[in-house]
Amino acid sequence: EVQLVESGGGLVQPGSSLKLSCVASGFTFSNYGMNWIRQAPKKGLEWIALIYYDSSNKYYADSVKGRFTISRDNSKNTLYLEMNSLRSEDTAMYYCAKGRTGDWGQGVMVTVSS
Amino acid sequence: DVQMTQSPSYLAASPGESVSISCKASKSINTYLAWYQEKPGKTNKLLIYSGSTLQSGTPSRFSGSGSGTDFTLTIRSLEPEDFAVYYCQQHNEYPLTFGSGTKLEIK
Repeated sequence: EVQLVESGGGLVQPGSSLKLSCVASGFTFSNYGMNWIRQAPKKGLEWIALIYYDSSNKYYADSVKGRFTISRDNSKNTLYLEMNSLRSEDTAMYYCAKGRTGDWGQGVMVTVSS
Repeated sequence: DVQMTQSPSYLAASPGESVSISCKASKSINTYLAWYQEKPGKTNKLLIYSGSTLQSGTPSRFSGSGSGTDFTLTIRSLEPEDFAVYYCQQHNEYPLTFGSGTKLEIK
């Protein structure tokens, strides 16, 4: 059974940093591209970042480009999202997701507020 | 970016009835459309991908149709566990984009 478990969320002040993790199990992690997707309160789903299976390519939504960094460690079956210069509009539930379609984690909440 | 317009945003139906949800793309996405089900306390569940291919474990009362820009999710003979929020998502290109969701409630 595929499992994706996010962690690392919390309440932070504007301008600060946070690093999310997503531990994968139940599939060959190193074979799949992975995504981060978020949903702000009362808002729609927004794709924010993609990393290829071998980390050879990374893509970002314009809303996070230059502030967020996606990475992975295939030896640890773990996906990361490093978030810098956080803004109130980054407040959202963050999900990791396998491939273009497929399994999602349960999500982790990030709240940016003073 | 491909804009996804999903309708209706809210739908009330009774168990045993059939319902349809529409999803329209702002440009052709071939057949690369997925449908997800969201329920409180559970991970989002992929139901259908590539327009009409049922994900393993998806009950046969769910069906997807469409190509190009117009797609439909149909649920025949609603079961109590089907009352949830449904999202469409195009997987033809990045950025992946999503419909705004349809909340299916019991009438």
